[in-house]
Amino acid sequence: EDKVVQSPLSLVVHEGDTVTLNCSYEVTNFRSLLWYKQEKKAPTFLFMLTSSGIEKKSGRLSSILDKKELSSILNITATQTGDSAIYLCAVVLSGGGADGLTFGKGTHLIIQP
Amino acid sequence: NAGVTQTPKFQVLKTGQSMTLQCAQDMNHEYMSWYRQDPGMGLRLIHYSVGAGITDQGEVPNGYNVSRSTTEDFPLRLLSAAPSQTSVYFCASSPGTGVYEQYFGPGTRLTVT
Repeated sequence: EDKVVQSPLSLVVHEGDTVTLNCSYEVTNFRSLLWYKQEKKAPTFLFMLTSSGIEKKSGRLSSILDKKELSSILNITATQTGDSAIYLCAVVLSGGGADGLTFGKGTHLIIQP
Repeated sequence: NAGVTQTPKFQVLKTGQSMTLQCAQDMNHEYMSWYRQDPGMGLRLIHYSVGAGITDQGEVPNGYNVSRSTTEDFPLRLLSAAPSQTSVYFCASSPGTGVYEQYFGPGTRLTVT
């Protein structure tokens, strides 16, 4: 059975801290891994990572895939209260996404002022 | 572009009632899907469609029907609502099975009493 595990499930830090969120997967026919940010509504896309191992960056956020460890990390530096959200990791299988995304349970990140 | 739209935003049903959750997208996307999100469970795929006239089951299809008569619309029907179907429902779309970023609608919060 395909499995995506995120850790920690919840995290509380202070503004300005750096956080690292983890996502590990046990799936057959891995194709890519996606990170989403979910505030009080729909998930919004952050990054897509493949086995190429290329790091993706956007402002204070960055993410990379470790294909040997079957995992990915999402880093957020100099956190702000607006970073508070649920961060979702999802894996796409080599069926080309025809069977949808397999999601982890998410990391609930809270940034305290 | 409105993107992915869902109606209604909120709905309360009694056990045994039926209803249809509406989803529409104006991006001419081929691929559409329905997810449900429950606390501590992440997002789980209910049904998906790779194009008009083609639908298939996801991870948790029981109690739900879908159809795809047009590219734009992908309604989700609850045949006989049960309290276990209390959840937040998200519709998503993407340009095709070869492109993996999915765009999510704002969600429908359904309560079954």
